[in-house]
Amino acid sequence: EAGVTQFPSHSVIEKGQTVTLRCDPISGHDNLYWYRRVMGKEIKFLLHFVKESKQDESGMPNNRFLAERTGGTYSTLKVQPAELEDSGVYFCASSPLTGTVGNSPLHFGNGTRLTVT
Amino acid sequence: AQSVAQPEDQVNVAEGNPLTVKCTYSVSGNPYLFWYVQYPNRGLQFLLKYITGDNLVKGSYGFEAEFNKSQTSFHLKKPSALVSDSALYFCAVGATNYGQNFVFGPGTRLSVLP
Repeated sequence: EAGVTQFPSHSVIEKGQTVTLRCDPISGHDNLYWYRRVMGKEIKFLLHFVKESKQDESGMPNNRFLAERTGGTYSTLKVQPAELEDSGVYFCASSPLTGTVGNSPLHFGNGTRLTVT
Repeated sequence: AQSVAQPEDQVNVAEGNPLTVKCTYSVSGNPYLFWYVQYPNRGLQFLLKYITGDNLVKGSYGFEAEFNKSQTSFHLKKPSALVSDSALYFCAVGATNYGQNFVFGPGTRLSVLP
């Protein structure tokens, strides 16, 4: 079974530019999450899709961040315009849809390391 | 609101010695507790989880964790550490209600010295 894949693995952009991160979850996983780890601190939740619907986007920091999951398959996270504080590692994770979200382990991608200069 | 604390940024242990990585949590309702490990330039890998039942849960690579409700702790343990166990370890608490998200601790870097 292919794991969660993320593209690109690294991205270096200048402040004010736009970057789009992509996540391909494990096939059949309806739950898809985006997390971010900034400067070695804790991993913070950004948002959660169930299929193509945003279940919870309470962690999105501001309206410069836009996440989509058209068709309920892969997801993109766009940052426009990027700011210095957006630097960090962006993780995507997926899990199958079960009766209770909270007890299904997440399957993580390797992350995208974003550096904004 | 859910929260997770990992009081140690760094844990050093000699190869062959037992290791413990500490985690405490705060959650309303019954907790779903997890440990993940991250190796360099890789994503987080699931190690083990506690949902219900026996307080001692066993996971991958010889790791185990003990759920202690009265102390709200879920410490990760291994009887004999290997150099290859050196990595970043994250404790996480899952939601008790559908639709909520996972909350992760800040991580503990484990170094196993040969």
